[in-house]
Amino acid sequence: KQEVTQIPAALSVPEGENLVLNCSFTDSAIYNLQWFRQDPGKGLTSLLLIQSSQREQTSGRLNASLDKSSGRSTLYIAASQPGDSATYLCAAYTGGFKTIFGAGTRLFVKA
Amino acid sequence: NAGVTQTPKFQVLKTGQSMTLQCAQDMNHNSMYWYRQDPGMGLRLIYYSASEGTTDKGEVPNGYNVSRLNKREFSLRLESAAPSQTSVYFCALGNTGELFFGEGSRLTVL
Repeated sequence: KQEVTQIPAALSVPEGENLVLNCSFTDSAIYNLQWFRQDPGKGLTSLLLIQSSQREQTSGRLNASLDKSSGRSTLYIAASQPGDSATYLCAAYTGGFKTIFGAGTRLFVKA
Repeated sequence: NAGVTQTPKFQVLKTGQSMTLQCAQDMNHNSMYWYRQDPGMGLRLIYYSASEGTTDKGEVPNGYNVSRLNKREFSLRLESAAPSQTSVYFCALGNTGELFFGEGSRLTVL
């Protein structure tokens, strides 16, 4: 059974710091991995989608990598800003309309 | 989250009452999903619809029914609400595993 784990559960950093959020999955047989941002009381906003054949995707200050063999994905945020404060979730699509979500990392960027 | 509209955004029910959560899309996706999000439990799939007219159970379907009468709309019905169904419900859609979410419907069952 696929399990997705995100460590740490919470992270507090000063503004301007570069940071890495981690996502690990137990079964390497995934089709893609998606990173989301969720603000309090809001829905999930898609940040990046990495297909299983890809190694990384970039959007602005965000870079997501995928290493299927080791069961890991990372989300790199450059030059963090207070507006980046949110919960970040990763989700692994295993096929058959099934997506397994991590519990998320709650990020707080201090001004 | 434009493109996925959920109603209502908030609802309070008494135990045993029924209600329907509505989801409508304008993104022309075949597949639609209903998830619930609970603290410490993450997101769990309740039901999904691969295409118009088809529905299938997800991880936690008990106590819910769904209806997909057309491509745009996918509704989730609670026939007899229980306190354990207090949660935030999200409608999502997407093909080939990439998901797009609505803003959520926060339901409290007293």
